[in-house]
Amino acid sequence: DADVTQTPRNRITKTGKRIMLECSQTKGHDRMYWYRQDPGLGLRLIYYSFDVKDINKGEISDGYSVSRQAQAKFSLSLESAIPNQTALYFCATSDLTSPGGTDTQYFGPGTRLTVL
Amino acid sequence: ILNVEQSPQSLHVQEGDSTNFTCSFPSSNFYALHWYRWETAKSPEALFVMTLNGDEKKKGRISATLNTKEGYSYLYIKGSQPEDSATYLCAPSRSGNTPLVFGKGTRLSVIA
Repeated sequence: DADVTQTPRNRITKTGKRIMLECSQTKGHDRMYWYRQDPGLGLRLIYYSFDVKDINKGEISDGYSVSRQAQAKFSLSLESAIPNQTALYFCATSDLTSPGGTDTQYFGPGTRLTVL
Repeated sequence: ILNVEQSPQSLHVQEGDSTNFTCSFPSSNFYALHWYRWETAKSPEALFVMTLNGDEKKKGRISATLNTKEGYSYLYIKGSQPEDSATYLCAPSRSGNTPLVFGKGTRLSVIA
């Protein structure tokens, strides 16, 4: 089984709809991240969480919100989706605190979101 | 936000060629530098993490070096193979309490 899972893997929705993307991990990591990938723009950080009570905005948080329901779960919401939020979304986890922890990030398989 | 530059943006080489590309980042407040490999239709996967000036890491035909004083890292691939075709991302960080900042990557295509 994959260590970092994302649901759904693909989603097509309409402008104005509320969408939630979910991420779960079994790696036992405290840190979780949401990125979006657009052609030519690389990976851009939306939100990150270093523990259950910690939520931080990333580079492009406008139009998004997150919820850290548990150590293993981190959800990304688009309250009112718009077409320029069409992208590939990745969740990632990392761990700095365990012995030998290097904060290396482990990525989920991605969610392809299309907003019409 | 860290300014991370990767060059070249894309690269086409013949099978068997050796190649290298560069990651540049601010040399001040350096903590660590990560390299990731990202194959098409897959997720990024970690290759190396380096923290000390002069660090060198190697995995098979791929190696990396780090110069924190001047703010750059090189990734080398010896004897490129078609399966090396991927986008290679670098990601520096300023501390253990700030997230990585990913460069836009170098897209490598190895032609058989």
